Amino acid sequence: QKEVEQDPGPLSVPEGAIVSLNCTYSNSAFQYFMWYRQYSRKGPELLMYTYSSGNKEDGRFTAQVDKSSKYISLFIRDSQPSDSATYLCAARSGGYQKVTFGTGTKLQVIP
Amino acid sequence: DAGVIQSPRHEVTEMGQEVTLRCKPISGHDYLFWYRQTMMRGLELLIYFNNNVPIDDSGMPEDRFSAKMPNASFSTLKIQPSEPRDSAVYFCASSGTGGPSGANVLTFGAGSRLTVL
Repeated sequence: QKEVEQDPGPLSVPEGAIVSLNCTYSNSAFQYFMWYRQYSRKGPELLMYTYSSGNKEDGRFTAQVDKSSKYISLFIRDSQPSDSATYLCAARSGGYQKVTFGTGTKLQVIP
Repeated sequence: DAGVIQSPRHEVTEMGQEVTLRCKPISGHDYLFWYRQTMMRGLELLIYFNNNVPIDDSGMPEDRFSAKMPNASFSTLKIQPSEPRDSAVYFCASSGTGGPSGANVLTFGAGSRLTVL
């Protein structure tokens, strides 16, 4: 079993829709949670990160972590065609630099 | 800063050949990571360095893989001999530890796409 599990999709939504991307994890030591976005033929880039449980908002993006259920979510409001990419959730424990990634969910936003 | 620079961007080689991938991290970053990405397994950490010293190489699949970081501005990942199952995109990433978020932010290079025939 992978430490971070993610539905690979693909997920296709119309422009303007609210998108929900989700991951589960199994390692209770994970304290830092991240979402990376990867465009085709590019390297992943950090979108958001959170520490422990709670919500974090940045513009149209909201990240949520529920440590009790080991569930990580990313919400995208008013989705745009430019949001079409693969979204990777990631996590790591405190004091240890190894970041473990999910396999990624491919999102397509249709104009 | 030009970001993390990887070379070559594409490499096609025949089984049994030696492959060397190169990485220049962001200046001032003290952590360097090598990841491999495939459709089936996603992004897998192969090895990471702190201040040029290998810290965790448990992800290196077998002895055919080796990585070095002779100085703060250069690292190599070598595969010898290469096999078709090594075909993947290999990413180098670097991060710093300055500030509360420094240690969380991996900056990735554009990747080296390796095809072993």
